Amino acid sequence: DVVMTQTPPSLSVAIGQSVSISCKSSQSLVYSDGKTYLHWLLQSSGRSPKRLIYQVSNLDSGVPDRFSGTGSQKDFTLKISRVEAKDLGVYYCAQTTHFPWTFGGGTKLELK
Amino acid sequence: EVQLVESGGGLVQPGRSMKLSCAASGFTFSNYGMAWVRQAPTKGLEWVATISYDGSSTYYRDSVKGRFTISRDNAKSTLYLQMNSLRSEDTATYYCTRDARFAYWGQGTLVTVSS
Repeated sequence: DVVMTQTPPSLSVAIGQSVSISCKSSQSLVYSDGKTYLHWLLQSSGRSPKRLIYQVSNLDSGVPDRFSGTGSQKDFTLKISRVEAKDLGVYYCAQTTHFPWTFGGGTKLELK
Repeated sequence: EVQLVESGGGLVQPGRSMKLSCAASGFTFSNYGMAWVRQAPTKGLEWVATISYDGSSTYYRDSVKGRFTISRDNAKSTLYLQMNSLRSEDTATYYCTRDARFAYWGQGTLVTVSS
């Protein structure tokens, strides 16, 4: 199974601060079609997960450009610029390149 | 607007069965693969099963293989998860999600396996 190692497990931030979350996979996430199926999700408290970014760097509609995703092969990063209160929750990276699909352990973003 | 609405969860005894449903709307259901993802209380997300757009291919995590069956009815735009021989470790909120990019998620349905 592909192990997704997400760090840090928690982040305490002030509004307006910028943060980065790392996600490293135990295998390359490049699929045979040349695409990389690495996605970022946010689960706000008591809510269902919501996708923010798909295939490394593509922002979903309605997601502010304060969010950005970068990376390749086995090393990926989610950056949030100028954190707002509505950004709080647990962030997950997820890979759907290899079965079984796997998720990172999550990064809880909290207010300082 | 895309909507995924799960139903069928509840309290079930170990060893018994339960069938979950996910009613889809707002998109052409028959064009997309679908998946079930679960989340045990206070834990992270765990993929359970995936089915191709036409139902011809299915994939399962090892711990549910042989016990769970994912299926779909494209005429009804509904996804199913038949869960047999349930164990306490299957206790979780079960979400249905669209395609291999987790584009949309339902609100989830809680399955509690306990005597």
